[in-house]
Amino acid sequence: DAGVIQSPRHEVTEMGQEVTLRCKPISGHNSLFWYRQTMMRGLELLIYFNNNVPIDDSGMPEDRFSAKMPNASFSTLKIQPSEPRDSAVYFCASSFVSGASYEQYFGPGTRLTVT
Amino acid sequence: GNSVTQMEGPVTLSEEAFLTINCTYTATGYPSLFWYVQYPGEGLQLLLKATKADDKGSNKGFEATYRKETTSFHLEKGSVQVSDSAVYFCALSDRGAGSYQLTFGKGTKLSVIP
Repeated sequence: DAGVIQSPRHEVTEMGQEVTLRCKPISGHNSLFWYRQTMMRGLELLIYFNNNVPIDDSGMPEDRFSAKMPNASFSTLKIQPSEPRDSAVYFCASSFVSGASYEQYFGPGTRLTVT
Repeated sequence: GNSVTQMEGPVTLSEEAFLTINCTYTATGYPSLFWYVQYPGEGLQLLLKATKADDKGSNKGFEATYRKETTSFHLEKGSVQVSDSAVYFCALSDRGAGSYQLTFGKGTKLSVIP
């Protein structure tokens, strides 16, 4: 069974450009999480969805960030306009929440560099 | 609120040495506890978990016991290998608070030298 798939794996863009990160969760999972990892702040939860509905977006840094989950097999995280301080590794994770089983499975990440 | 505190790294050990990475937590409810491992250039992988007090999670020679009285979940391995070099994250999920979010510690980088 394929794991969580993220694309692109690496993205280099110039300040002010729009960036879209993509995630395909594990089939059958009902929750999806977006994280950002930096040396300074470690791993931060940006937003999570349950059954395609955003549940908690309190970690989204500002209005430049937006996330969507149009269906159970696809999610996007968009940054518009991008800034150098957005440079980080962005992870998507998915989970099947059911009783005691809800561990998260992480994708390989997208390394974003904004120059 | 919930929080996880794990020992500062980096930790450098010789091959076959004993490993302990300390982790303590605070939670409003009755959490489940996890250790995740991140190898260079990869995403996080679940290493082991424990869902109730006195449970012991184990995998690949690593162990951790859920200690409610000391609010701890220390990671141990009897004999580390070079291939264990990675960053280790302790995490909790507080189902009692109605949330399935994970709260992570800051991570501990382990380097094992031959």
